[in-house]
Amino acid sequence: DTEVTQTPKHLVMGMTNKKSLKCEQHMGHRAMYWYKQKAKKPPELMFVYSYEKLSINESVPSRFSPECPNSSLLNLHLHALQPEDSALYLCASSQEAPGPTNSPLHFGNGTRLTVT
Amino acid sequence: QKEVEQNSGPLSVPEGAIASLNCTYSDRGSQSFFWYRQYSGKSPELIMFIYSNGDKEDGRFTAQLNKASQYVSLLIRDSQPSDSATYLCAVNSPQGAQKLVFGQGTRLTINP
Repeated sequence: DTEVTQTPKHLVMGMTNKKSLKCEQHMGHRAMYWYKQKAKKPPELMFVYSYEKLSINESVPSRFSPECPNSSLLNLHLHALQPEDSALYLCASSQEAPGPTNSPLHFGNGTRLTVT
Repeated sequence: QKEVEQNSGPLSVPEGAIASLNCTYSDRGSQSFFWYRQYSGKSPELIMFIYSNGDKEDGRFTAQLNKASQYVSLLIRDSQPSDSATYLCAVNSPQGAQKLVFGQGTRLTINP
């Protein structure tokens, strides 16, 4: 069982749709992350929120828009996606914000996104 | 040179044997090292983390860190078919964005 909850588990959307991915953690972790993972590849960092502020944006296209409403919630808003954006989207949290050392990432179960 | 390198495998090990997974990293300043297990279609699951040189044991798993040689390894004793998965090594990048860098992963198969 994971302590990071992601919804929905699966999402199919057209290129003109707007949708949102949601993530929630109640472990009191201070950092939350969005990763994208394609088949047979490692997770690829997209965004990091530390203490509810965006601290890292890995040059992600603007059709992906993150939001951190509070310390427990993280959203990823999707608009005008392309078929190549189809992937597993993973949310993670860590007890401490990234720094010279890093505390372990705890991943949610992911959202399998298909863009048609 | 890639920041974090792993042999992609597949690595085949007979059931009951020791599986040895290796990872090298390029940044001498790295201080945090993690091993994740990922079953096909599932999310990564934290197996071990290690911050200091030497060995760290947890059940059938042992993580070994050698900062001088810049490698970290994961040993799985008494391998079981359920250990068949992709194992991802992650190392922190202490400069700049201070993020975790993942290796490409090693696919491990335990043969009954």
